[in-house]
Amino acid sequence: DAGVTQSPTHLIKTRGQQVTLRCSPKSGHDTVSWYQQALGQGPQFIFQYYEEEERQRGNFPDRFSGHQFPNYSSELNVNALLLGDSALYLCASSWDSRGGYTFGSGTRLTVV
Amino acid sequence: SQQGEEDPQALSIQEGENATMNCSYKTSINNLQWYRQNSGRGLVHLILIRSNEREKHSGRLRVTLDTSKKSSSLLITASRAADTASYFCATDALYAAGNKLTFGGGTRVLVKP
Repeated sequence: DAGVTQSPTHLIKTRGQQVTLRCSPKSGHDTVSWYQQALGQGPQFIFQYYEEEERQRGNFPDRFSGHQFPNYSSELNVNALLLGDSALYLCASSWDSRGGYTFGSGTRLTVV
Repeated sequence: SQQGEEDPQALSIQEGENATMNCSYKTSINNLQWYRQNSGRGLVHLILIRSNEREKHSGRLRVTLDTSKKSSSLLITASRAADTASYFCATDALYAAGNKLTFGGGTRVLVKP
């Protein structure tokens, strides 16, 4: 049973460009959350998707947007990349809002 | 902002010793979770303790929760070199729509063989 799958593993982008990160949740999970983790810090909540709608959003600008597809997979889009967007982006899935989350291995984004 | 704050920020112990780390948070929670992260990769869920629970065990892990003090502790007994990792506490507050985890800054644990 596959866990959470994220792609790509690593990505290098130039300042001002746009990026799309992808996540396939664990089988049986219908809720997907995205987190940003800067080097040496804990993950920061970006947003959560359920039934193809954004259900919760953290303190991130509108440059960060997302989508959830009918098969529960999700995308994170970041426009007008800044150097400060360089981070590990983690996707987490769950089926029970009161349960633990399963995290993917993350996408390491470097903005140069 | 990060609600949880771990203490200490770093911990170095010998294999076989116990490792204890603490977490404090600020608001009411539905549950508190502990995660492990190796080498800046994905997080691994270790244990979840609900707000109406005071202590929970899982293998060599023991977690306590004191909601009156808004604090939790994670104890790893008989540590192994493979326990070397960063450990994060995360609080889960159930909102009207959905929920989210709020993480602390983590404790970096080094277990020396």
